[in-house]
Amino acid sequence: QKEVEQNSGPLSVPEGAIASLNCTYSDRGSQSFFWYRQYSGKSPELIMFIYSNGDKEDGRFTAQLNKASQYVSLLIRDSQPSDSATYLCAVIGGNNRLAFGKGNQVVVIP
Amino acid sequence: EPEVTQTPSHQVTQMGQEVILRCVPISNHLYFYWYRQILGQKVEFLVSFYNNEISEKSEIFDDQFSVERPDGSNFTLKIRSTKLEDSAMYFCASARTVGNYEQYFGPGTRLTVT
Repeated sequence: QKEVEQNSGPLSVPEGAIASLNCTYSDRGSQSFFWYRQYSGKSPELIMFIYSNGDKEDGRFTAQLNKASQYVSLLIRDSQPSDSATYLCAVIGGNNRLAFGKGNQVVVIP
Repeated sequence: EPEVTQTPSHQVTQMGQEVILRCVPISNHLYFYWYRQILGQKVEFLVSFYNNEISEKSEIFDDQFSVERPDGSNFTLKIRSTKLEDSAMYFCASARTVGNYEQYFGPGTRLTVT
């Protein structure tokens, strides 16, 4: 069973719209959840982290966590062309290693 | 803003050769990591390092791999005898403490084994 799953294919959104990304994880003991942004050929850049159930907002980004459903999501409001990237969901369970999903590519269309 | 740095940005080596990838973690961080990403695949954990010893390693991190913190600033990953399948981006990351899990990544070293 995969640890972290991001199943959606590439997401195309018009500029100014909301992009919604989803992620599920298998380890019910997971405590820490992260969203990284990765531009092509670059390293992962931490954009959000969330540790408690509910919503966490930071600028145009909102992370949502539901531990009962083992589900974490990321909303990007007022999407900009510079948001075009791959978004990686990552989870830390009982150890200190990040387990990454395969990522979701977001394309913002001007 | 402090950041993780890595050198070299690109390393080309022949199969069977040894390579050393270098990282300078963020200065007040205590936890250090190596991850790799094969082209088109997900980021994979290799090893974590704390208090001058390995705290955890993955199945990928076999006897061909080693890590070292030779001084107060550098953190290195050595691959003793490179294989074609070691070709990947190697990322170093650091975190402030174990209670603060946010890991910040360096720009990566692209390793090409020919």
